[in-house]
Amino acid sequence: QKEVEQNSGPLSVPEGAIASLNCTYSDRGSQSFFWYRQYSGKSPELIMFIYSNGDKEDGRFTAQLNKASQYVSLLIRDSQPSDSATYLCAVRGGSWGKLQFGAGTQVVVTP
Amino acid sequence: EAGVAQSPRYKIIEKRQSVAFWCNPISGHATLYWYQQILGQGPKLLIQFQNNGVVDDSQLPKDRFSAERLKGVDSTLKIQPAKLEDSAVYLCASSSQGAAIETQYFGPGTRLLVL
Repeated sequence: QKEVEQNSGPLSVPEGAIASLNCTYSDRGSQSFFWYRQYSGKSPELIMFIYSNGDKEDGRFTAQLNKASQYVSLLIRDSQPSDSATYLCAVRGGSWGKLQFGAGTQVVVTP
Repeated sequence: EAGVAQSPRYKIIEKRQSVAFWCNPISGHATLYWYQQILGQGPKLLIQFQNNGVVDDSQLPKDRFSAERLKGVDSTLKIQPAKLEDSAVYLCASSSQGAAIETQYFGPGTRLLVL
């Protein structure tokens, strides 16, 4: 079983719609959760992090965390063509805990 | 604030050759990470330094990979000898102290192709 699992996609989303990305993790001791965006041929860039159960909103992005279900999600509202990228879920344990990445979900926003 | 610098950006070598990558983290960042990202996969941590000490190298293939961070600033990652399966992007990242909720900032990566 992979430690961090994501649907590989591609997830096709019409422009202006909501993109919903899901991620599950296996380590119950995980403490912090990150969403990175990676454009083709580029390095990952942080979109959001969350470490408390519930929702966290930042502009058009909302991260949701449910530690009991070991589930974290990312919603992208009003999707734009510039949102087309691979979204990486990353999970980290306590201090010095390494960041474990999922394989990423490819999102394609169609005009 | 300057970002994480890496060089070279691209490298093509033949199997059994050696190669070295260089990384300069964001100024003042104590924690430096080297990741390997194979096409279609997420980054995998190879080694994590806190200042010039190794915190985690559990996934570093030590028979062929080595890394050092002299003086707690720049770092080099070496592969000797390279195998075909080492073809990947090697990403360097840094963070302020390595705390669990800190952001890791990634460099542009070095694309390695082993023929």
